[in-house]
Amino acid sequence: QVQLQESGPGLVKPSETLSLTCTVSGGSISSYYWSWIRQPAGKGLEWIGRIYSSGSTNYNPSLKSRVTMSVDTSKNQFSLKLSSVTAADTAVYYCARVRGYCNGDNCYSYFDSWGQGTLVTVSS
Amino acid sequence: QSVLTQPPSMSAAPGQKVTISCSGSISNIGNNYVSWYQQLPGTAPKLLIYDNNKRPSGIPDRFSGSKSGTSATLGITGLQTGDEADYYCGTWDSSLSAGVFGGGTKLTVL
Repeated sequence: QVQLQESGPGLVKPSETLSLTCTVSGGSISSYYWSWIRQPAGKGLEWIGRIYSSGSTNYNPSLKSRVTMSVDTSKNQFSLKLSSVTAADTAVYYCARVRGYCNGDNCYSYFDSWGQGTLVTVSS
Repeated sequence: QSVLTQPPSMSAAPGQKVTISCSGSISNIGNNYVSWYQQLPGTAPKLLIYDNNKRPSGIPDRFSGSKSGTSATLGITGLQTGDEADYYCGTWDSSLSAGVFGGGTKLTVL
C-alpha cells in the first residue's frame, strides 16, 4: 500500500515562496502522475497541478504563473513551489497519487492515495 | 466558484438513502470519468468511487456512482452516523487541461 507524506515549513511570510515535498513510500514514483491539492479552512478542494514521473506538468490556470512542480525519482519525492504567496494561499496542502490514463485532451483519472495533509499559514 | 456544482448540504435519517448530485459541462463530466471522495472531519479525502461507478476495494456496496451526460450522482443507502462527512466529486476538464472538483456536500445523518 503506497503511502504519501507531505513536509515543509508550516509558516511562510507574504510575498515569499511556499515549498513542500511529498515523500512516497511503499511503491515507486515512476510511471505515475502525482498531484498537489489544497483546501483552505472550511472550504472545498482546489487542484493545484500534477507532475508525471518524467517531469511533464499540468497546472491550474489560476495558479500557473506562480507554481512550479518537480520530481526526484532517486528519492521517490516530488515537490511544489508556490511563489509570491498571500494570505489567500493559507490552506492544508495534500499530495496525492493519480491513477488512470489520458487519451488526447481527455483524462480518465482519479486520486487513489492521499497524504495526511500539511497546514501552511501565510503570515508575517 | 467551483467548476462542478454540488448542493452545499444534505441530510437524512439513519437507514435511509441519499443521492448527491454533481453538475458540470461537456468539457469536464461530459467527456471524462467522475470520481467521488469522502472527507471525514479532520482527515484527508478518501476515494469512494472512480471511473463513474467503480468502488475501490474495501468500499461497501452501500456507495454507488452513476453518470449521465454532464451530471453525476453519488448514492448512499442504509445511512449510518459514520457516513457524516463532506463529499466531493472530481474530474478532468479537457478545455482547462486541469483537474476540477465540486464545492463539496456536507452530509448530516440525523
